[in-house]
Amino acid sequence: QKEVEQDPGPLSVPEGAIVSLNCTYSNSAFQYFMWYRQYSRKGPELLMYTYSSGNKEDGRFTAQVDKSSKYISLFIRDSQPSDSATYLCAMSSPTGGKLIFGQGTELSVKP
Amino acid sequence: AAGVIQSPRHLIKEKRETATLKCYPIPRHDTVYWYQQGPGQDPQFLISFYEKMQSDKGSIPDRFSAQQFSDYHSELNMSSLELGDSALYFCASSLDGSGAPYTEAFFGQGTRLTVV
Repeated sequence: QKEVEQDPGPLSVPEGAIVSLNCTYSNSAFQYFMWYRQYSRKGPELLMYTYSSGNKEDGRFTAQVDKSSKYISLFIRDSQPSDSATYLCAMSSPTGGKLIFGQGTELSVKP
Repeated sequence: AAGVIQSPRHLIKEKRETATLKCYPIPRHDTVYWYQQGPGQDPQFLISFYEKMQSDKGSIPDRFSAQQFSDYHSELNMSSLELGDSALYFCASSLDGSGAPYTEAFFGQGTRLTVV
């Protein structure tokens, strides 16, 4: 069983929709939770990171962490075609800086 | 702003050949990470270096080795290549020596290795 589980999708939504991306994890020692966006054949790009349980908002993006349930989410409001990419959740290893990624969810926002 | 530079961007090798991938971190970053991403897969951690010393090791095959040089660039050496080594190899760098509890890792564009 993988330490981080993420629904691989693909997910297709119309422009303007609210998108919800989710991950679960098994290691309660994970401390930092990240969301990366990866366009095709490009390197992952950090969108947001959170530390504590609760919500963190940045423009159209909201990251949510529930440590008691070992569950994290990324919400995208007013989704745009330019948001079409693969979204990867990642956790920072408690024993160092390496990242443990989820499988990634491929999102397509249709105009 | 300077980013993480990886070279080459694309590489085609035959089975049993050797490949060397290079990574040039963001200036003043002291830590380098290598990840392997197979088709449709998530990036898997291979190995990392902090201040030119290996700091962590993941699922890196014995056929692979890596090092970080005095100028902080890093090289991933892959020998006896197999078809299954075909993947996107990412390098990331961060400033772990800053003392902050979390420092962002910046990824390069990756090297796409195809073994035929």
